[in-house]
Amino acid sequence: NAGVMQNPRHLVRRRGQEARLRCSPMKGHSHVYWYRQLPEEGLKFMVYLQKENIIDESGMPKERFSAEFPKEGPSILRIQQVVRGDSAAYFCASSPSLTGGNTEAFFGQGTRLTVV
Amino acid sequence: QKEVEQNSGPLSVPEGAIASLNCTYSDRGSQSFFWYRQYSGKSPELIMSIYSNGDKEDGRFTAQLNKASQYVSLLIRDSQPSDSATYLCAVNARPGDYKLSFGAGTTVTVRA
Repeated sequence: NAGVMQNPRHLVRRRGQEARLRCSPMKGHSHVYWYRQLPEEGLKFMVYLQKENIIDESGMPKERFSAEFPKEGPSILRIQQVVRGDSAAYFCASSPSLTGGNTEAFFGQGTRLTVV
Repeated sequence: QKEVEQNSGPLSVPEGAIASLNCTYSDRGSQSFFWYRQYSGKSPELIMSIYSNGDKEDGRFTAQLNKASQYVSLLIRDSQPSDSATYLCAVNARPGDYKLSFGAGTTVTVRA
């Protein structure tokens, strides 16, 4: 889990600003997932990406949220025009190729977003 | 019905006792099951994975899976204060599926 790097660890934004969260997967992992954990709630899937492809964004709000995983560089989760309800811990996880079936995902340390 | 449900906590056990955590899931086709430990303010840490019916032991942890009953459990033997955390049950629907469904978690407190 220490191999999945997220930054920043803490992010404070005023309402209406943009938040950009970064995630570098573990070495050798080509699959990235973003999850959100609201206070006192479980983790909820948001989006699954491979390099240059969004595979499944069914858990992501339709507006203001976007994600990318470019050919070079980290995966980015972007939240535009943040609102107080976006305050949460955002976790990135990565896993190796799905060949072989079982997909153990390892989580980064998370970015704790606070909207004031 | 929630996809993954865990027994409500918090669960308080004395040091040295067995902590028993339960999880049920709704998708009968689910294939992969995981237990994560999450300390307060920290990220989830994978502690057990299980794919076949039966028991799987790793140190003081034992995961038990019963697909017919759609039930997976985690036993922590000889509980230590350092085991105090929230334990999350997670399920993949099928091999090659990438999306984990999590339970809300059970908070365990081990009393010294």
